[in-house]
Amino acid sequence: DTGVSQNPRHKITKRGQNVTFRCDPISEHNRLYWYRQTLGQGPEFLTYFQNEAQLEKSRLLSDRFSAERPKGSFSTLEIQRTEQGDSAMYLCASSAHKETQYFGPGTRLLVL
Amino acid sequence: AQSVTQLGSHVSVSEGALVLLRCNYSSSVPPYLFWYVQYPNQGLQLLLKYTSAATLVKGINGFEAEFKKSETSFHLTKPSAHMSDAAEYFCAVTVNTNAGKSTFGDGTTLTVKP
Repeated sequence: DTGVSQNPRHKITKRGQNVTFRCDPISEHNRLYWYRQTLGQGPEFLTYFQNEAQLEKSRLLSDRFSAERPKGSFSTLEIQRTEQGDSAMYLCASSAHKETQYFGPGTRLLVL
Repeated sequence: AQSVTQLGSHVSVSEGALVLLRCNYSSSVPPYLFWYVQYPNQGLQLLLKYTSAATLVKGINGFEAEFKKSETSFHLTKPSAHMSDAAEYFCAVTVNTNAGKSTFGDGTTLTVKP
């Protein structure tokens, strides 16, 4: 069990650029979650996959955001036309059932 | 809808003193409750969880929490603080829905003084 991994760990980009983050969940975990965490706040739910199906999306996820989990394993989160307000830590978590989520180290995004 | 309130954004204790971090929740259905710890620039590590079994839950690193339904609380305690406990702590609630998504409090930063 190698845990949840996320890449890159840090990303600096200029406003208007597109960025993509990757999450590799724990093997055989069928549930995968994306959260966003801004300074001084707890994580906020963005979206959820069960296997390859995206079953729920938060209203925080504007049309500039898209997430995929094409084969039910790793997932990507893309932000198009980044804005300074997108600067945050993006956390991925996976679980084998509803109860317990295991979090990755996060990707810290800074939009200049 | 569920929500979590963590009372006190900053708590400071002396090394060896009792740690008490407060969490109150709101949920229309029986909840699952969690405490996580986060060190700077890292993800969240699960400390302990309540999933409708024993109301007193023991976790890692000597932490424990008690679920009190009448008070809608799930406070985190540790009898004796260690310097390595200094971190940010998050309380979270999950309801037994298909998504199982968690709602987090805003966190409490624990400082441990020598």
